[in-house]
Amino acid sequence: AQTVTQSQPEMSVQEAETVTLSCTYDTSESDYYLFWYKQPPSRQMILVIRQEAYKQQNATENRFSVNFQKAAKSFSLKISDSQLGDAAMYFCAYRSAVYGNKLVFGAGTILRVKS
Amino acid sequence: DAGVIQSPRHEVTEMGQEVTLRCKPISGHNSLFWYRQTMMRGLELLIYFNNNVPIDDSGMPEDRFSAKMPNASFSTLKIQPSEPRDSAVYFCASRGLGGGYTFGSGTRLTVV
Repeated sequence: AQTVTQSQPEMSVQEAETVTLSCTYDTSESDYYLFWYKQPPSRQMILVIRQEAYKQQNATENRFSVNFQKAAKSFSLKISDSQLGDAAMYFCAYRSAVYGNKLVFGAGTILRVKS
Repeated sequence: DAGVIQSPRHEVTEMGQEVTLRCKPISGHNSLFWYRQTMMRGLELLIYFNNNVPIDDSGMPEDRFSAKMPNASFSTLKIQPSEPRDSAVYFCASRGLGGGYTFGSGTRLTVV
């Protein structure tokens, strides 16, 4: 079974600075998708960014980018120019491209942004 | 589109009572998922449906939990009898073919 590990329970960043959230995963599959979701205090789950495993190029979405290292099974999220609104719980998630339709989540990282 | 709609948003019930959580997926989405979120266990998949058929219910904790999807626009998650350890936030999500996942706002269940 696939597992997703987020080793940082909590991170802090100064407003306007850059922060990187870590994620590693374990799978024997070669084709899959990886995601980062944001959960603010409102509880809503918001997709931040998505990466297809077959793509070598790292995904970017405005201030959010990933460092996808397939051989190392690592998928970190970099937030540049951090804003107060970035404060939330961030979840890394995995989905097989072949077997099943479900997302497997990591335990989450709480990100605090200091003004 | 109103998104995935869950009700109620909050539920407080006494131990031993039956609880029913409801979900309306996005129209046209053919997959529906029920997740449970707790501090101790994070986000766990309880069950998911494809085209109204349960595909994987291996995450359902025990026989007290049951889920149904009688049609493409409605699903329920029932707990009977409820216990304090069932207290959690329950999310419903839906997904269309080749599309992304859309989560509802969740139901916070407190069993006292």
